[in-house]
Amino acid sequence: GAVVSQHPSRVICKSGTSVKIECRSLDFQATTMFWYRQFPKQSLMLMATSNEGSKATYEQGVEKDKFLINHASLTLSTLTVTSAHPEDSSFYICSASFLRLRGAPSYEQYFGPGTRLTVT
Amino acid sequence: KQEVTQIPAALSVPEGENLVLNCSFTDSAIYNLQWFRQDPGKGLTSLLLIQSSQREQTSGRLNASLDKSSGRSTLYIAASQPGDSATYLCAMLGSWGKLQFGAGTQVVVTP
Repeated sequence: GAVVSQHPSRVICKSGTSVKIECRSLDFQATTMFWYRQFPKQSLMLMATSNEGSKATYEQGVEKDKFLINHASLTLSTLTVTSAHPEDSSFYICSASFLRLRGAPSYEQYFGPGTRLTVT
Repeated sequence: KQEVTQIPAALSVPEGENLVLNCSFTDSAIYNLQWFRQDPGKGLTSLLLIQSSQREQTSGRLNASLDKSSGRSTLYIAASQPGDSATYLCAMLGSWGKLQFGAGTQVVVTP
């Protein structure tokens, strides 16, 4: 259980176009979804936190008008990179979180396989 | 703000040796700590999760310890294999389910 999918796994787009990445929790309802980006040989950097039905909370330095996040349901969140530029090329990973009540309550996060975005 | 440091940044060992990966953090107010594995160009695979009330977790050849008082966690991989070659990330779970990641340790196990 606790599977998170991302689509597409890889996308190449031209500079100036927009790209949408989907993140789905397949077998559970996620209270919160997170979007990360990862540059080569670097760790994951949190971009934004998204709760279903409310506006996303962006981390400092992340442009909310450039990285649009929509969290339409408890199983789906989308990240749209608008007017993409080559510097937006990166590996984008989403995760989905729910509160596990068995034993000590704990928020557990499950990660999608990532989307490789290349902007030419 | 939570700072997570992983040492060493890279590690190369011959097959069969035990691996010791270190993770340190500055804020002991954590909900849990997780160790992940990441293969090149892939997403994250969760290896072990230690609740803040626990001191260690074990799964097969993997053992992770947590010492909140000293702000440290250690991941041990016994009898390493070439298939263990990957980047290993530790992450602290703080408020609202936010994970703070370390930069990772890149491991190469040579046959």
